[in-house]
Order: sequence, then C-alpha cells, then structure tokens
Amino acid sequence: EIVMTQSPATLSVSPGERATLSCRASQSVSSNLAWYQQKPGQAPRLLIYGASTRATGIPARFSGSGSGTEFTLTISSLQSEDFAVYYCQQYNNWPPELTFGGGTKVEIK
Amino acid sequence: QVQLQESGPGLVKPSQTLSLTCTVSGGSISSGGYYWSWIRQHPGKGLEWIGYIYYSGSTYYNPSLKSRVTISVDTSKNQFSLKLSSVTAADTAVYYCARVGAAADLWGRGTLVTVSS
Repeated sequence: EIVMTQSPATLSVSPGERATLSCRASQSVSSNLAWYQQKPGQAPRLLIYGASTRATGIPARFSGSGSGTEFTLTISSLQSEDFAVYYCQQYNNWPPELTFGGGTKVEIK
Repeated sequence: QVQLQESGPGLVKPSQTLSLTCTVSGGSISSGGYYWSWIRQHPGKGLEWIGYIYYSGSTYYNPSLKSRVTISVDTSKNQFSLKLSSVTAADTAVYYCARVGAAADLWGRGTLVTVSS
C-alpha cells in the first residue's frame, strides 16, 4: 500500500503571499499525482493531475511540480477564496488504487 | 454538463447495510473511459477511497473495506450504487460519488450517513 504524507498539517499565510504545500509518497508514483481543494461543506475540487497539469478552469496561480516520491503544490499569490484544505492523491497502477494524503489546511495569517 | 447526485438514507442502524445510489446526469455512464467511484470522509477527517466500478461491471475495492463493500451499476438508469454491510459508528461519514479518469475530476455534493441506533 502506498502511503501519502502531506506537510505541513496547517499553513498560515497572508493574502497575496506564496504558499508551498508538500506531499510525499512512500514509493514512486511516477507523475500519477493529483491535488484537490476542499472548502467547508463542499466536495473536493480537482486542481492538478499528472503532477503538474491544471484541471479545467483552475487559475494559473496554482501550479504543481515533482515526480517519483516528492511533490509540491504552489499557490503563487493567495486570494481569499484559496483558504481551504488541500489533499494530494496518488493513482499509480491501473486501474488505480486511490490513496489520499492527510491534507494541509491553508489558513489566514 | 455532467453532474452526480448521491441519494439514500441519512441514518442507518448498527449491523445493518448502508445503501446509496449515485445518479449521473448530463452524460452516459456507458460512454466509457471513466471509473465510477465512491469516496467517504469521516467527520473532520481526510478522504478514504471505497471503490469503483466500470460501466461493464468490473469492480475494484479498497482492500481495507473489500469484505463489506459491493458496488453495482445500472446503465439503463445511469446510476451506480454502494452497499456497505455490517456498519458500525465508524462508518459514519459523508459519502461522495465521483467520476475517476485517472484523478477524480467530478464529484457529487456528498451525503452524510450516520450510523446510530
């Protein structure tokens, strides 16, 4: 079983600043990594897939990088609507067994 | 556009079977290319993948839940369903249905299921 570990658990950032979120896989998942945003009371929304490809309609301030076991989600300039919980998820193998990280909460500093 | 909507009882008694249905609108489950999935989220916690089904009926389940889970599809109704047997309070969660290509690109709004007598 592949274990996904996200850090930090909570990130305090001021609006307009850059946020960098990390995700580590217990073994290589190649580029089979997605990022989701979840706001209170809402379903998760896909932000990034293939480690670095933005999903439809996702603003350019969201970017993903990494491969293998180390991944990063960067939000270049935080907007008020970006304060939320972010999850990474691997989908290695096919059909994929989906494994989520524990999440990073991005809160207002 | 394609939308997913979960439905089913919000309260289930311990030891009984939780049953939920996801109705897909705006597109066909049978069009292929996607796995139709169930994912849950315990209150205040992270996301747990339960399993998914292809329109042909092929299924794949989370090994930790496999003994209690059945996912089925009804292509004539454009629906897929979840059954989780022998539930306990630990199965109390928001249950989401989702469309999975590789990542889960489309989600229902979720439905809270509480297990309590």
